[in-house]
Amino acid sequence: EGQLVESGGGLVEPGRSLKLSCAASGFTFSNYVMDWVRQAPKKGLEWVASISTGGGNTYYPDSVKGRFTISRDNAKSTLYLQMNSLRSEDTATYYCAAHSYWGQGVMVTVSS
Amino acid sequence: DIQMTQSPSFLSASVGDRVTINCKASQNINRYLNWYQQKLGEAPKLLIYNANSLQTGIPSRFSGSGSGTDFTLTISSLQPEDVATYFCLQHNSWRTFGAGTKLELK
Repeated sequence: EGQLVESGGGLVEPGRSLKLSCAASGFTFSNYVMDWVRQAPKKGLEWVASISTGGGNTYYPDSVKGRFTISRDNAKSTLYLQMNSLRSEDTATYYCAAHSYWGQGVMVTVSS
Repeated sequence: DIQMTQSPSFLSASVGDRVTINCKASQNINRYLNWYQQKLGEAPKLLIYNANSLQTGIPSRFSGSGSGTDFTLTISSLQPEDVATYFCLQHNSWRTFGAGTKLELK
């Protein structure tokens, strides 16, 4: 059974950085386009970033473009999200996802 | 960017009712539309992918239809465990989620 486990969340001040990780197991990680999706408290789902299977292509919505970087290490079956210049509106639960596989989410709170 | 308009935002129905939720895309997305169920405090669960393909392990009372710009998720006979929020996701051009439909029991 495939599993994704996120880590690296926490409380961070506005303008600072944070790096999330997502460890995959139970499926062939390198075969899947990977996504980060976030959900602000009591809000809907928002796509944050996607990365191609080989890692050569990355995609972002305007809300995070230039501040967030998605990457992957297929040898380690791990996905990353480097988040810079964090803002209060980035406060959310962040999920990594691959088609039907979703992690349990990790909370990121941006506050002084 | 593709916008997804999901309706209704809120739905109240009785056990055994047929329930439909709609998503409309701002442009043609072919059949690149998924439906997810999210229960309180849990991660989303994939129900339907590519408009009408039932994900393994999902009860057959869930079905999806549509193509192009208009899509529907149908629950043929509502069960108590179906209380959740439902989201659509277009993946024709990156990703856009619908705003969600909160389904409650009447």
